[in-house]
Amino acid sequence: GNSVTQMEGPVTLSEEAFLTINCTYTATGYPSLFWYVQYPGEGLQLLLKATKADDKGSNKGFEATYRKETTSFHLEKGSVQVSDSAVYFCALSAGANNLFFGTGTRLTVIP
Amino acid sequence: NAGVTQTPKFQVLKTGQSMTLQCAQDMNHEYMSWYRQDPGMGLRLIHYSVGAGITDQGEVPNGYNVSRSTTEDFPLRLLSAAPSQTSVYFCASREVPSGGAETQYFGPGTRLLVL
Repeated sequence: GNSVTQMEGPVTLSEEAFLTINCTYTATGYPSLFWYVQYPGEGLQLLLKATKADDKGSNKGFEATYRKETTSFHLEKGSVQVSDSAVYFCALSAGANNLFFGTGTRLTVIP
Repeated sequence: NAGVTQTPKFQVLKTGQSMTLQCAQDMNHEYMSWYRQDPGMGLRLIHYSVGAGITDQGEVPNGYNVSRSTTEDFPLRLLSAAPSQTSVYFCASREVPSGGAETQYFGPGTRLLVL
């Protein structure tokens, strides 16, 4: 079946620190992979996506590379800001079905 | 475009009461979905629709009903609320899939408390 496992939080970093949030997946077929972000009090927004192996998604300084050999899609950012504080969700889409989400990782960035 | 809108933002119910959570989108998307978000569980799919007149169950459909009479609207009904339905509910929409990489657009959520 389809499932997503992401690192448990919460994660607390100082401003300008390096961020990695791990995400691994199990899927039948060839899924598309996504990172969604949820800011406090809001719904989820697409942060980045990748549709095939070795694709790199990027947005707002965040990056993630689709690694088929390790079934991973880890989220990284070189220098986090206070405004990046949010909950981050890894997700996959396999064919015409809806998204399968990880449990979310809460990131807090302190000045 | 307003995107995906949800009402109400917050609701308190007593056990056994019924209510309808409203969801509307103005992007002419065929696909619409309802998720619930619980601590430590991520988002779980309740029901979804691939077009007007067509609905199907997701991962956690029990206790919820849906209908899709128009492309724009996808209400979620709780016929007899239970404390286990205390959660945050998100509606989402997306275009017809063409490879599985379509972006889902989420509403701002409805926070429901069942006493």
